[in-house]
Amino acid sequence: DTAVSQTPKYLVTQMGNDKSIKCEQNLGHDTMYWYKQDSKKFLKIMFSYNNKELIINETVPNRFSPKSPDKAHLNLHINSLELGDSAVYFCASSQGDRIDYEQYFGPGTRLTVT
Amino acid sequence: SQQGEEDPQALSIQEGENATMNCSYKTSINNLQWYRQNSGRGLVHLILIRSNEREKHSGRLRVTLDTSKKSSSLLITASRAADTASYFCATDVQGRAQDSSYKLIFGSGTRLLVRP
Repeated sequence: DTAVSQTPKYLVTQMGNDKSIKCEQNLGHDTMYWYKQDSKKFLKIMFSYNNKELIINETVPNRFSPKSPDKAHLNLHINSLELGDSAVYFCASSQGDRIDYEQYFGPGTRLTVT
Repeated sequence: SQQGEEDPQALSIQEGENATMNCSYKTSINNLQWYRQNSGRGLVHLILIRSNEREKHSGRLRVTLDTSKKSSSLLITASRAADTASYFCATDVQGRAQDSSYKLIFGSGTRLLVRP
C-alpha cells in the first residue's frame, strides 16, 4: 500500500499550458505539503495545509494554486506554465503541523516544460 | 538563502567503511532531521534530533548536534551499497508572520556513493 501517492509521475507539456498534479495520502495525517526540487537538488517548500486549511504559503507565483478537497488530498494546479517551472514536485504529509513530526514523501512528479 | 548546507556535496567510499556527512545551519532551531533520497524517489525520514540533545543513534546511524556551532553530523557505520543515496538535513524555521506554522528548510544534500 502506497502511503503518499502522486499522479502523474512524469508530465511533459508546452509553455503556456495549464496542468494539475494530484496527491493522496492514506496515512490519516492532518497536514500535507507541496515541495519543489530543482535541478541542483534544492528542496523548497511551496505550500502546507492542515485539515484543509492553508497554513504555509511561500512566495511562489500565483500561477500555482493548491487545492485540498479533503485532508487526504492536496492537488496542485499550475497555470500558464513556464520553462522555469521544470522541476520535480513532491507531495508530503505529516501527522500534524508540529515541527517534530516526520514527513512522509510521495515519489515525486517530474515536470518538464518545453 | 538556504538554512541548511551539507558538506561534502559528494562522497565516495568503499563498502564497509564509515561515511560522515555534515550539516551547518544559520538560525536557532527546535529540531534537526535527516532524510535520505534514493535516485528518482521521494525522501525518507531517518532520524530527528532535538535541540536539547547532543547525540542520537538509530541502527547504523549516529547523529550529533552542536547548537553552539550550529552544526550536525550524520555518521553511517559499516556502509553498504544500498546506502547509496543523497542525504539531506532539514531544520525548522518559523513561517512568515501570516503563517501559523513552522516549516522545514532542506539543504542541497550530500550524494553518497558506496562502492561494492
